[in-house]
Amino acid sequence: DVKVTQSSRYLVKRTGEKVFLECVQDMDHENMFWYRQDPGLGLRLIYFSYDVKMKEKGDIPEGYSVSREKKERFSLILESASTNQTSMYLCASSSPDGRSSYNEQFFGPGTRLTVL
Amino acid sequence: AQKITQTQPGMFVQEKEAVTLDCTYDTSDQSYGLFWYKQPSSGEMIFLIYQGSYDEQNATEGRYSLNFQKARKSANLVISASQLGDSAMYFCAMRELRGSARQLTFGSGTQLTVLP
Repeated sequence: DVKVTQSSRYLVKRTGEKVFLECVQDMDHENMFWYRQDPGLGLRLIYFSYDVKMKEKGDIPEGYSVSREKKERFSLILESASTNQTSMYLCASSSPDGRSSYNEQFFGPGTRLTVL
Repeated sequence: AQKITQTQPGMFVQEKEAVTLDCTYDTSDQSYGLFWYKQPSSGEMIFLIYQGSYDEQNATEGRYSLNFQKARKSANLVISASQLGDSAMYFCAMRELRGSARQLTFGSGTQLTVLP
């Protein structure tokens, strides 16, 4: 079974702190994703990566950066946390894209981040 | 414009009855895929069902079926014989092959409550 793990289920930080959210997958997937989930807005893509050291901005990259030094690990970084970044953060991974539109993403359990 | 629209923020259904969760989408691509995910209160995202735009038959997976009406751009999820464990948030998502091919775009979700 595919397993995607995230470093914390719950995290509380203060405004201005640097925050690291870690995600690890064990299925040798090339693609990894970071989403944030807010009530009424669904999931919105922050960043994704299709290879080590490669990254692309999603729909809402402002205030975030990412790092992918190893294939299995994808980190989301909040350089200076703000209260509007209080949210649920979900990591996902998937196998390389083919020509089909089918490509299931496997999700981690989520990290609920509160910024005070 | 919203790419994925889920107009039902909340739905109630009696145990053992069928329920339809609505999803409409917007794309100019000919090739795309539609996905439904379930998110229980524990937070993990569970893949339920997939429909490709070229699939002529509606997708089915156990008690889940996808009512795909391409001309109307709708991809409703039908859950037959609802169970208490079906109470969860349900997300519709679309993957287009043009452009940023690896990205899933999610709707805002429908919270389903199954009543005993």
